[in-house]
Amino acid sequence: AQSVSQHNHHVILSEAASLELGCNYSYGGTVNLFWYVQYPGQHLQLLLKYFSGDPLVKGIKGFEAEFIKSKFSFNLRKPSVQWSDTAEYFCAVNHGPYYSNASKIIFGSGTRLSIQP
Amino acid sequence: EAQVTQNPRYLITVTGKKLTVTCSQNMNHEYMSWYRQDPGLGLRQIYYSMNVEVTDKGDVPEGYKVSRKEKRNFPLILESPSPNQTSLYFCASSSGGEGTDTQYFGPGTRLTVL
Repeated sequence: AQSVSQHNHHVILSEAASLELGCNYSYGGTVNLFWYVQYPGQHLQLLLKYFSGDPLVKGIKGFEAEFIKSKFSFNLRKPSVQWSDTAEYFCAVNHGPYYSNASKIIFGSGTRLSIQP
Repeated sequence: EAQVTQNPRYLITVTGKKLTVTCSQNMNHEYMSWYRQDPGLGLRQIYYSMNVEVTDKGDVPEGYKVSRKEKRNFPLILESPSPNQTSLYFCASSSGGEGTDTQYFGPGTRLTVL
């Protein structure tokens, strides 16, 4: 069965620091990968997604993620974080048929990011 | 404005008192889901629906019911709530399957069962 690991539960950074949040999944077949973000008191929204093509995916607000198939990883990066990036970040991966309406999704446990001014 | 709405946003109730959390989307999405979010556990799917009158269990369905009589609405029903159902609940919708398409989430319902 597919599983998703986010090893960093809470990351604290200063403004302008670089960010990398880890995400690893277990299933080695074709995968669709997502990063969702939840700002304090708000609903989840899509940050970026990878289905195929260029493994370096750019999302909103300057975020990017790199799909490395050999490492089963989809790490989220941002060169310089801002206080407004304080949020919880969830990695997610499909399991089941990646092309089908029956495709399910598994969320990681989330990483809380705190940015200090 | 495209959105998913949930009501109520906050609810405190007592053990055994039936409740319903409503969810509605205005994007004509076929696929809808309910999740619960608990600290350290991320989001876990309760139920999902691929279309009207088509629903199925997610990972943690015990103690919950759903119905999908109309495309836009997907209410979550707790027939006899218990304290372990205290959680933050999110409804989501997407045009395609959740693993193949972007999901749009509602604002959440924070439920406390005493």
